[in-house]
Amino acid sequence: DVKVTQSSRYLVKRTGEKVFLECVQDMDHENMFWYRQDPGLGLRLIYFSYDVKMKEKGDIPEGYSVSREKKERFSLILESASTNQTSMYLCASSLRIEVTEAFFGQGTRLTVV
Amino acid sequence: GQNIDQPTEMTATEGAIVQINCTYQTSGFNGLFWYQQHAGEAPTFLSYNVLDGLEEKGRFSSFLSRSKGYSYLLLKELQMKDSASYLCATMDSNYQLIWGAGTKLIIKP
Repeated sequence: DVKVTQSSRYLVKRTGEKVFLECVQDMDHENMFWYRQDPGLGLRLIYFSYDVKMKEKGDIPEGYSVSREKKERFSLILESASTNQTSMYLCASSLRIEVTEAFFGQGTRLTVV
Repeated sequence: GQNIDQPTEMTATEGAIVQINCTYQTSGFNGLFWYQQHAGEAPTFLSYNVLDGLEEKGRFSSFLSRSKGYSYLLLKELQMKDSASYLCATMDSNYQLIWGAGTKLIIKP
């Protein structure tokens, strides 16, 4: 079974803090994604990566950055957390860009106070 | 623009059948997906349609009409464990997923 693991289920951070969300997949997938999920809205893509050290902006990259130094690990960084970044963050991976099924991590619920 | 619409919430009875509809407008089309997400958990893949017609997988079936920009997920013999949100997503010409807001399905005994 493919496993996508996010480092934390719940996080509480203060406004202005730098926040790191980590994601690791164990199936040698090329593609990795970071989404945020808010009530009443669909999943919104923040950043994705199709290879080590490669990254592409998604629909809502402002206030975020990412790092992919190793194939299995994709990190999301909130440079200076703000209250409007309180959300559920989901990491996902897929084998290749044109291959369909994406596998998701269990999510990190981030609260910024 | 790109848009996906699905009902916000539906209620059905255990043992019955329910159909969850999804309409879409996207830039290019490389298939439509349905995912299931239980409260507090990760979305899990249910089905993928790229050609018109019905795909059946056990109690779940998914239908696609590309000319109408329409899909539905059909759940038969509903069980309490089917209470979840069902997410519709299309893959556009750049192979990016565009997500609907999800349909919360409530199953009553």
